[in-house]
Amino acid sequence: QVQLVQSGAEVKKPGASVKVSCKASGYSFNSYAMHWVRQAPGQRLEWMGWINTGNGDTKYSHKFQGRVTITSDTSARTVSMELSSLRFEDTAVYYCAKMGEASGFPFDYWGQGTLVTVSS
Amino acid sequence: DIQMTQSPSSLSASVGDRVTISCRASQTISNYLNWYQQKPGKAPKLLIFAASSLQSGVPSRFSGSGSGTDFTLTISSLQPEDFATYYCQQSYSAPRTWTFGQGTRVEIK
Repeated sequence: QVQLVQSGAEVKKPGASVKVSCKASGYSFNSYAMHWVRQAPGQRLEWMGWINTGNGDTKYSHKFQGRVTITSDTSARTVSMELSSLRFEDTAVYYCAKMGEASGFPFDYWGQGTLVTVSS
Repeated sequence: DIQMTQSPSSLSASVGDRVTISCRASQTISNYLNWYQQKPGKAPKLLIFAASSLQSGVPSRFSGSGSGTDFTLTISSLQPEDFATYYCQQSYSAPRTWTFGQGTRVEIK
């Protein structure tokens, strides 16, 4: 069965960087794109960007352009998201989500989420 | 950027009620609209893709409709496990980006 297992919670200081990983299993890793979505406390889901795990192409939301980097390691079946220059408002739960092949480009499987807390 | 607006933001309903949630896009998105359910402390779960297709394993009491700018998620007979927050998501924009609505919280009356 498809599983996405994310790395554990992080506490970072403003200005620092954080890297969250997502290990995939149960499907053909290189055949499906992976997205990152975050959710600040009490807020809506917010799309951050995605990576084509087949060729490494990435696209990021304008909001995070220049601060976010998504990478993929095929041998480890792991996608990572690094967010730099952290601010207090980056405190959120960060999710990886596998894109399905159905029309509408939905996210059919999600990781369990990783809480990133930015605190001085 | 395409904006997604859901209504209502929250609603109270009883078990067995028929519940309807609306989602409006700021411009036409054809049928590139997906619906998710999220329970507290959990990751979202895909319910409906491409506006009206039921994801495998999702109960048939959930249905979706609409095209263009206006979409609806309907729960035909609300069950205790359906109390959650529901989000719509568009994936139409070019270059392709994904945007979520603000969510609709379904609470027990």
